[in-house]
Amino acid sequence: DQQVKQNSPSLSVQEGRISILNCDYTNSMFDYFLWYKKYPAEGPTFLISISSIKDKNEDGRFTVFLNKSAKHLSLHIVPSQPGDSAVYFCAAPSLSYGKLTFGQGTILTVHP
Amino acid sequence: NAGVTQTPKFRVLKTGQSMTLLCAQDMNHEYMYWYRQDPGMGLRLIHYSVGEGTTAKGEVPDGYNVSRLKKQNFLLGLESAAPSQTSVYFCASSYAPGKSNSPLHFGNGTRLTVT
Repeated sequence: DQQVKQNSPSLSVQEGRISILNCDYTNSMFDYFLWYKKYPAEGPTFLISISSIKDKNEDGRFTVFLNKSAKHLSLHIVPSQPGDSAVYFCAAPSLSYGKLTFGQGTILTVHP
Repeated sequence: NAGVTQTPKFRVLKTGQSMTLLCAQDMNHEYMYWYRQDPGMGLRLIHYSVGEGTTAKGEVPDGYNVSRLKKQNFLLGLESAAPSQTSVYFCASSYAPGKSNSPLHFGNGTRLTVT
């Protein structure tokens, strides 16, 4: 049972444009969500998080939106840069010990 | 500050061989985790530890064992490797799980191929 899903395996965007990465979840008990970024041959690194009591969190070029009624969150990157090309994972914690459940990941490619 | 260090970076095993993956963290984190990453599957939790001397099963524990004899180290063992265990393995640690401002810190991974 995949509790966190990223249905788009890949996304290609032109430099300077907006990148929108989507994530759906099934467990309404999740109390926050995280986005991780992963470059080849490196481990995932934390990018941005959002609490379930908020509907938006912004950090520079990155904004995460949460729609609880739709059980959907999205990561917006504006403007996109070639260095943003990576795999992006959304994740949510289980009820105990900070265990994270990850989505399948979306490969973002930003073309110059 | 090294963060989370995994050794080895690469390994090729034959079916039936055994090996141990080592994870070391220097951030004094209580919680440590082993994940595997497979194409189209995201990251799946194998085992985790909530402190020195403790271990617990994650989502996909079969075929793996772990030990946490020291707080800074978390070992993942494969007693009899199978081709299905070909994957990239990531270790992670955290100091205050369950809080959005305490994310997991990951190592750079071990790429394991079982032939």
